[in-house]
Amino acid sequence: AQSVAQPEDQVNVAEGNPLTVKCTYSVSGNPYLFWYVQYPNRGLQFLLKYITGDNLVKGSYGFEAEFNKSQTSFHLKKPSALVSDSALYFCAVTYSGGYQKVTFGTGTKLQVIP
Amino acid sequence: ETGVTQTPRHLVMGMTNKKSLKCEQHLGHNAMYWYKQSAKKPLELMFVYSLEERVENNSVPSRFSPECPNSSHLFLHLHTLQPEDSALYLCASSPLGAGAQNGYTFGSGTRLTVV
Repeated sequence: AQSVAQPEDQVNVAEGNPLTVKCTYSVSGNPYLFWYVQYPNRGLQFLLKYITGDNLVKGSYGFEAEFNKSQTSFHLKKPSALVSDSALYFCAVTYSGGYQKVTFGTGTKLQVIP
Repeated sequence: ETGVTQTPRHLVMGMTNKKSLKCEQHLGHNAMYWYKQSAKKPLELMFVYSLEERVENNSVPSRFSPECPNSSHLFLHLHTLQPEDSALYLCASSPLGAGAQNGYTFGSGTRLTVV
């Protein structure tokens, strides 16, 4: 069975500071990893993905994530946080060929303080 | 607007009522999903439809009944729900197979309250 852990319910960061939202995963086979963002009263919106290739992937709104196979982690990062980044962030995992079987984490609320 | 539209946005229903949630997409996707979102829990995959056939049913109680009449529409029929069924119900769609690597497209959800 595959699983995703987001150890922090909430992350607070000052505007302009770098941010990190943590994610670890467990899956059989090669992982396919995703980050989604959810703004209030909205559905989830795709941010970025890791399928293969470079361990550092770049996505929308200046976000990036680093795939670390040995630590089974896929942390979301941004060099300089904006107040508008405040939202709920979900990490998700599936495996090669398991495209219709994506498992999501519990979500981490990011609060950027002006 | 993401291209996946869910109606209604909010629904309050009694435990003896029957209601339906609707999801519509015109993105040309052939896979559609129902997810349940509750506070501090992972998103729970309820149902998956691929080319209008149900391919996944994650032990969902029979009081939830999905219907996929065509590749653009997905329904979730509700009857005799319990208060613990109150949640945000999200619909998503994706291409089949490797096309789903670009992620799912979600609707804005239906906020369901069972009283």
